[in-house]
Amino acid sequence: AQSVTQLGSHVSVSEGALVLLRCNYSSSVPPYLFWYVQYPNQGLQLLLKYTTGATLVKGINGFEAEFKKSETSFHLTKPSAHMSDAAEYFCAVRWAGSASKIIFGSGTRLSIRP
Amino acid sequence: DTAVSQTPKYLVTQMGNDKSIKCEQNLGHDTMYWYKQDSKKFLKIMFSYNNKELIINETVPNRFSPKSPDKAHLNLHINSLELGDSAVYFCASSRSVAGVGTDTQYFGPGTRLTVL
Repeated sequence: AQSVTQLGSHVSVSEGALVLLRCNYSSSVPPYLFWYVQYPNQGLQLLLKYTTGATLVKGINGFEAEFKKSETSFHLTKPSAHMSDAAEYFCAVRWAGSASKIIFGSGTRLSIRP
Repeated sequence: DTAVSQTPKYLVTQMGNDKSIKCEQNLGHDTMYWYKQDSKKFLKIMFSYNNKELIINETVPNRFSPKSPDKAHLNLHINSLELGDSAVYFCASSRSVAGVGTDTQYFGPGTRLTVL
């Protein structure tokens, strides 16, 4: 079965430090890849997405992610964490031919230490 | 101005009751969804409608019945509520479904359902 794995349910970094949130998916068939952010008591908001073309994708709020087909990964990074980045982050994958169904990872809660 | 709106935001009710959650989108999208997010933040799709037609039904109990009176609305009715139904329910919409895997899904703010 197709699946999305986010390593680490909770990641804590210091303000100004590098943020790295990991995401791996189960199939070698190139999918469409998404990162969503959920702030407390809010809905999900798209950070960035990979469809085709350049494998390094830039999103909002200084985040970027790199699609690595050989590693079936789509890790999210940000060079310098800000206090406002504290939120829950979800990796999501849609495989071609799966209608509109998106499979979400279990989420990673990002905490920022002052 | 809200793109995807849900009402109510909070819903507290007793076991066995019937309740509805409403969702509306003003984005002109053709496809709408309902997701359930459990206490561990796990997010799972329940239903998807495209132009008022059901296209995804993820083995959700029959007690859950989505209704789409028009493509801008997708309501969720739940009969005989159970403790395990307690969760946050999110509505979402996207431009289209047919062959456009890159379409972004826009989420509503969520409805926190608590069944006592």
